[in-house]
Amino acid sequence: DAGVIQSPRHEVTEMGQEVTLRCKPISGHNSLFWYRQTMMRGLELLIYFNNNVPIDDSGMPEDRFSAKMPNASFSTLKIQPSEPRDSAVYFCASTRGGHGYTFGSGTRLTVV
Amino acid sequence: AQSVTQLDSQVPVFEEAPVELRCNYSSSVSVYLFWYVQYPNQGLQLLLKYLSGSTLVKGINGFEAEFNKSQTSFHLRKPSVHISDTAEYFCAVSPSNDYKLSFGAGTTVTVRA
Repeated sequence: DAGVIQSPRHEVTEMGQEVTLRCKPISGHNSLFWYRQTMMRGLELLIYFNNNVPIDDSGMPEDRFSAKMPNASFSTLKIQPSEPRDSAVYFCASTRGGHGYTFGSGTRLTVV
Repeated sequence: AQSVTQLDSQVPVFEEAPVELRCNYSSSVSVYLFWYVQYPNQGLQLLLKYLSGSTLVKGINGFEAEFNKSQTSFHLRKPSVHISDTAEYFCAVSPSNDYKLSFGAGTTVTVRA
């Protein structure tokens, strides 16, 4: 099993540009989570999906952030337009109807 | 809502010494509890979890944790640490009827020779 796969590993972009982060969950896992990690705020849940349906997006910071899960094997987190305060490590995690996630290696986003 | 407090932000410890990382939680509903480890530039890895049953939970890499409902605590212990245990450790809680995890702020463990 390849685990949860995130791409890219690193992204540097200019303020105002659109950024898309990608996640492939573990095959057979039916819940997917997007977290953001910063020094100031720690690990924050942004959104989570169950069976490809968004269940709770209350952690999404503002309308500049959007997430989709078009099928069971792929999810995206988009930021448009990006701002320097969006700089963080973004993690995707998945689980199969249980408790205890498997995390991806994260995408380190830097907005300059 | 649930919240998690990790009482120590930094824990320096010598190799082969024991270590305890403290975690307290608050919740109005029954919860499940977790400890994760994060090595530098990596994602989080599940160390152990408490869902039900015995309050003493054993995990990977020689770690164990004890759930204490009356004290709302879930402290993590290892009797003898290695240099390779240097990492950040996160305590997390989820409601028993949901998968949403809330994390503590983390404890950085630095093991010295």
